[in-house]
Amino acid sequence: QLQLQVSGPGLVKPSETLSLTCIVSGDSISSNNFYYWGWIRQFPGKGLEWIGTIYYSGTTYYNPSLKSPVTIAVDTSKNQFSLKVTSVTAADTAVYYCARRPAYCGGDCWAYWGQGTLVTVSS
Amino acid sequence: DIVMTQSPDSLAVSLGERATINCKSSQSVLHSSNNKDYLAWYQQKPGQPPKLLIYWASTRESGVPDRFSGSGSGTAFTLTISSLQAEDVAVYYCQQYYSTPQTFGQGTKLEIK
Repeated sequence: QLQLQVSGPGLVKPSETLSLTCIVSGDSISSNNFYYWGWIRQFPGKGLEWIGTIYYSGTTYYNPSLKSPVTIAVDTSKNQFSLKVTSVTAADTAVYYCARRPAYCGGDCWAYWGQGTLVTVSS
Repeated sequence: DIVMTQSPDSLAVSLGERATINCKSSQSVLHSSNNKDYLAWYQQKPGQPPKLLIYWASTRESGVPDRFSGSGSGTAFTLTISSLQAEDVAVYYCQQYYSTPQTFGQGTKLEIK
């Protein structure tokens, strides 16, 4: 059974880099060439924001509306993918989720989610 | 960006009664190439990630009870719970994945009356 686990620090200082890893178990991140993997965050007021999506080959696409620069990368040898948000501010405080999109909805609908991790940006 | 607006913000319904949640998009999410609406619905319970209920506006995800149904096309969509159960208390979100960036509605909180 597919499991997604977000790993990373829960507290980041303003202007520093937020780094998270999504560890995939129960399936290979590159086993099916229809799967895409993504990061979504949820703000304290409960609003949801898509951050970006990556394919196992490394192809990425990001939310152009994000204020902080973002990088998503995949490591197939470790069966995981990662998120970096640079120059964070308090506005980046959120629960960060990783998720997998299935092939059958034709786009970024998210059928599998990790439990998420709260990241607080504060000095 | 396509703006997704849900109504109402909160809703209280009696057990066994029908619950209806609306979602409007600022632009059409109907793809002309396949005549499909790129609209999904999610359910989120406290302390849990969102759960996919509906995609293509009206196709139920595997394992989702048939009391959940989605309808609508273009810019106006509805999620209906035909007979509310206690376990349906949650926040419900719509999402458009027609264009980048994909965007979510603000959520509708469903409670028992």
